[in-house]
Amino acid sequence: NAGVMQNPRHLVRRRGQEARLRCSPMKGHSHVYWYRQLPEEGLKFMVYLQKENIIDESGMPKERFSAEFPKEGPSILRIQQVVRGDSAAYFCASSRNVGTGVAYEQYFGPGTRLTVT
Amino acid sequence: ELKVEQNPLFLSMQEGKNYTIYCNYSTTSDRLYWYRQDPGKSLESLFVLLSNGAVKQEGRLMASLDTKARLSTLHITAAVHDLSATYFCAVDPGGGADGLTFGKGTHLIIQP
Repeated sequence: NAGVMQNPRHLVRRRGQEARLRCSPMKGHSHVYWYRQLPEEGLKFMVYLQKENIIDESGMPKERFSAEFPKEGPSILRIQQVVRGDSAAYFCASSRNVGTGVAYEQYFGPGTRLTVT
Repeated sequence: ELKVEQNPLFLSMQEGKNYTIYCNYSTTSDRLYWYRQDPGKSLESLFVLLSNGAVKQEGRLMASLDTKARLSTLHITAAVHDLSATYFCAVDPGGGADGLTFGKGTHLIIQP
């Protein structure tokens, strides 16, 4: 039973380029979350998606960042015109479909470590 | 805005000792999670605490939740070197299926 998969694991981009990070949730999971972790910091929530829907993007920077979770294929976090401050580890998590009163748990992928030079 | 505070942020201790990590949060929530992260690795789920008074134990680690005090603790008993890692608590702000709010983490070093 494969866990949450992310690729690439490491990504180097020059300033001004685009970064695309991919996340495939665990089998049977329909909820995807993206988090960013700066060095020596905790994780910061960015966006929560279900298939073809953005449910909560309150943690996403207003510019240059976007996310999608298409009907087919992985979820993608896209960063346009990257800057050095975007260097961080980006983690994806997934969870089961949530029912009323049903506990859920987020399972994390291995992360993509983005370095902007 | 939900705030989650952990303390201490850094902890160096000797093998065999006991210690407690504290996690305070600022708004009502009855869902709290503890994760472990090794350097350069992803997060490993340790405990899911879903109600007031919940207590869970796994090996040398025990976690508890007091929703009235908005406090969770992670207690380490007779620490061993393999428990060296960074420990995060995370709070669900409400309703389930939300993005979690994480504390800054407790960097734990256990010396032989």
